[in-house]
Amino acid sequence: GAVVSQHPSWVICKSGTSVKIECRSLDFQATTMFWYRQFPKQSLMLMATSNEGSKATYEQGVEKDKFLINHASLTLSTLTVTSAHPEDSSFYICSARDGANNYGYTFGSGTRLTVV
Amino acid sequence: GENVEQHPSTLSVQEGDSAVIKCTYSDSASNYFPWYKQELGKRPQLIIDIRSNVGEKKDQRIAVTLNKTAKHFSLHITETQPEDSAVYFCAASKRDSSYKLIFGSGTRLLVRP
Repeated sequence: GAVVSQHPSWVICKSGTSVKIECRSLDFQATTMFWYRQFPKQSLMLMATSNEGSKATYEQGVEKDKFLINHASLTLSTLTVTSAHPEDSSFYICSARDGANNYGYTFGSGTRLTVV
Repeated sequence: GENVEQHPSTLSVQEGDSAVIKCTYSDSASNYFPWYKQELGKRPQLIIDIRSNVGEKKDQRIAVTLNKTAKHFSLHITETQPEDSAVYFCAASKRDSSYKLIFGSGTRLLVRP
């Protein structure tokens, strides 16, 4: 079945530094990639939607200059958390939609970000 | 935009009993309703889904019902087992230009042995 590889699985960084998270679709073309953030014991909150080759669409309240999303190819999307602060510590997870399967969403394994 | 509400937030049942989780959605154009099970620190796992042209779907001990008029859908788990204990999320999306998948707030299910 469809697989999305997400790296790193966990990362610890210092305040003020930037962190890049990658999601790759291994056996299908991810026409759309969704990025979610999940705080402990809470739901998955949609941060942004990106389509290959175009700018990401951010949800209300999400700072686009802080959470940079790049979807340069049909198999790779990246999320960069810039100038990270402790409040950015969270579980970040991507989800890819296969354009050939109208109802399929494939999730990455998630990245646990801790900012110290 | 779409808003999905989910109840209850926690649910404790005795092993063998049934569990029901309910969700309502706001956007009448939504047409795809998946249910996910999430273990701590893991990715959500799709357990069942239903499309708007179907009222009910069943897969062994799991079933989902959809009432489009009332804009609500429910997850039914029968003969619960301790390994069913997890957090369950409902979600909704529609086939427009975005296909955004919006999640409910989650239900923590505990099945007592």
